[in-house]
Amino acid sequence: AQSVTQPDIHITVSEGASLELRCNYSYGATPYLFWYVQSPGQGLQLLLKYFSGDTLVQGIKGFEAEFKRSQSSFNLRKPSVHWSDAAEYFCAATYGSSNTGKLIFGQGTTLQVKP
Amino acid sequence: ETGVTQTPRHLVMGMTNKKSLKCEQHLGHNAMYWYKQSAKKPLELMFVYSLEERVENNSVPSRFSPECPNSSHLFLHLHTLQPEDSALYLCASSQVRGLNQPQHFGDGTRLSIL
Repeated sequence: AQSVTQPDIHITVSEGASLELRCNYSYGATPYLFWYVQSPGQGLQLLLKYFSGDTLVQGIKGFEAEFKRSQSSFNLRKPSVHWSDAAEYFCAATYGSSNTGKLIFGQGTTLQVKP
Repeated sequence: ETGVTQTPRHLVMGMTNKKSLKCEQHLGHNAMYWYKQSAKKPLELMFVYSLEERVENNSVPSRFSPECPNSSHLFLHLHTLQPEDSALYLCASSQVRGLNQPQHFGDGTRLSIL
């Protein structure tokens, strides 16, 4: 079955440090890939998306992600984390074999930022 | 900025009550979705509506009944719920139903079943 895996349930980084959140998708037709962020008490906000073309995509709030087909990965990065980045991050994918636009979500990674 | 508004934000109900969750989108989208978010589990898609027609029901128990009277509004009618139904219920919308359509989410309704 198609799936999205986020290996890290919880990550803590110091403010100003760099960040990388991992995401792996199950092998198959190239999926459409998304990263969402959820702050406490709020819904999900789209950070960025990858459909095709340049494998390094830029998003909002200074985030970027790189699609690597050979590793079935779509990791999210930020060069310098701010305290306001503390939130839960979800990687999601829709696959080419489906026409429903059904998003398959990973379990999420909770980011804690130390002062 | 939230183009998708959900009410109420919090709801506590007994197992024998009947209540409804409401979602309204102001984005001119044609597809709407209900998701369930439980602790330590991935988001679960419950229902998909496209142009006011239900196009997907992911084996959701009949105690959850969706309604989409027009493309801007989506309801989730609840009755005889179980304690395991306590969760955050998220509504989302997209321009159309499709693989490359980003979904815009509301802030959710936190539901607690006593």
